Amino acid sequence: EPEVTQTPSHQVTQMGQEVILRCVPISNHLYFYWYRQILGQKVEFLVSFYNNEISEKSEIFDDQFSVERPDGSNFTLKIRSTKLEDSAMYFCASSGLRDTEAFFGQGTRLTVV
Amino acid sequence: DAKTTQPNSMESNEEEPVHLPCNHSTISGTDYIHWYRQLPSQGPEYVIHGLTSNVNNRMASLAIAEDRKSSTLILHRATLRDAAVYYCILRERNYGQNFVFGPGTRLSVLP
Repeated sequence: EPEVTQTPSHQVTQMGQEVILRCVPISNHLYFYWYRQILGQKVEFLVSFYNNEISEKSEIFDDQFSVERPDGSNFTLKIRSTKLEDSAMYFCASSGLRDTEAFFGQGTRLTVV
Repeated sequence: DAKTTQPNSMESNEEEPVHLPCNHSTISGTDYIHWYRQLPSQGPEYVIHGLTSNVNNRMASLAIAEDRKSSTLILHRATLRDAAVYYCILRERNYGQNFVFGPGTRLSVLP
């Protein structure tokens, strides 16, 4: 069964450092998403991406965040200068046609120290 | 975004049916009703979705009220592996819109 894969599974970084979280969406999907979940809290939307551009973003997705689909298979989330409060699980998701379900990866646990 | 309301938690016994309710009184005609679940330490997992008619798949059934203001996710025989947080989400069909997660219902399954 096709799946969304995320790497790394766990990343520890120092405050102020840049991190790149990587995702390989399902190959024929068109819509891509990043979500985050702070420990014990709900899943929060960050950004959606379609046709090589951001289609929607939340207030959380400020100038410190960026997304890219560099090579037609990977979908990355970059945080330029990490803060302690960026520590969370980050989930990538992809979906096909507009009306269909999304498939989520297993997440990357980001710990900022 | 149209909102959904779910109970914070529910309990079920193993091998019994579970009915997870969701209220969405402000649903619009173009909103699909999606259900996802999140097992401990995992990413959200698709369960089922529908628009107007009841839907069945290998995981669950979705019963949608005639006025579409509420729906019920039905797990026919709960197993211990079904213990998770279940999210009822409305998603507008026309724009590939993101999924807005609420707090969901935490389902506990007792052996």
